[in-house]
Amino acid sequence: AQSVTQLDSQVPVFEEAPVELRCNYSSSVSVYLFWYVQYPNQGLQLLLKYLSGSTLVKGINGFEAEFNKSQTSFHLRKPSVHISDTAEYFCAVRGNNAGNMLTFGGGTRLMVKP
Amino acid sequence: DTGVSQDPRHKITKRGQNVTFRCDPISEHNRLYWYRQTLGQGPEFLTYFQNEAQLEKSRLLSDRFSAERPKGSFSTLEIQRTEQGDSAMYLCASSLWSRETDTQYFGPGTRLTVL
Repeated sequence: AQSVTQLDSQVPVFEEAPVELRCNYSSSVSVYLFWYVQYPNQGLQLLLKYLSGSTLVKGINGFEAEFNKSQTSFHLRKPSVHISDTAEYFCAVRGNNAGNMLTFGGGTRLMVKP
Repeated sequence: DTGVSQDPRHKITKRGQNVTFRCDPISEHNRLYWYRQTLGQGPEFLTYFQNEAQLEKSRLLSDRFSAERPKGSFSTLEIQRTEQGDSAMYLCASSLWSRETDTQYFGPGTRLTVL
């Protein structure tokens, strides 16, 4: 079984400032990692994913994340945020065994202020 | 690519009534997943299908819940005798599964309110 912890429930930040959203996971097997974004009253949109290879993954809207196996982390970063980045961000993990469901963290609300 | 669609987007019902939701996956995706998301929480897995076969069900899926994917295309999720605790967003996702590259794409969700 897997579990995901998003340490910050809310992250306020000013426009054009950098941001990091933290994600830690636990698993007894190797994992694949995902970040999704959810705008109000909408479904989840895939931002980026780590399946294998380079540990630095680039996604849409200028976001990137780094997989750190020793620290079991997959933090999401953006060097300069926009007002339009205000949303809920979810980290998710899937084990590489037979089970294919995603296990999500509790989410981090990113609030970008002008 | 029209994406995953769900119908209805919103449903308000009275306690004890039955409700049914529909999900249309991305065409040619062989896997279809249902998740439930309550306010302020991340989505929680309910069940998934590969083609028409239902392969796994979460313990969250009580006997009042049933899901089908009769022809391996669209899926329905039915909740019988709804309870106020069933109020949530019900999300559907689909994927073209392989062990290495499975990526789930989500629909807009159906928000259920049980009065």
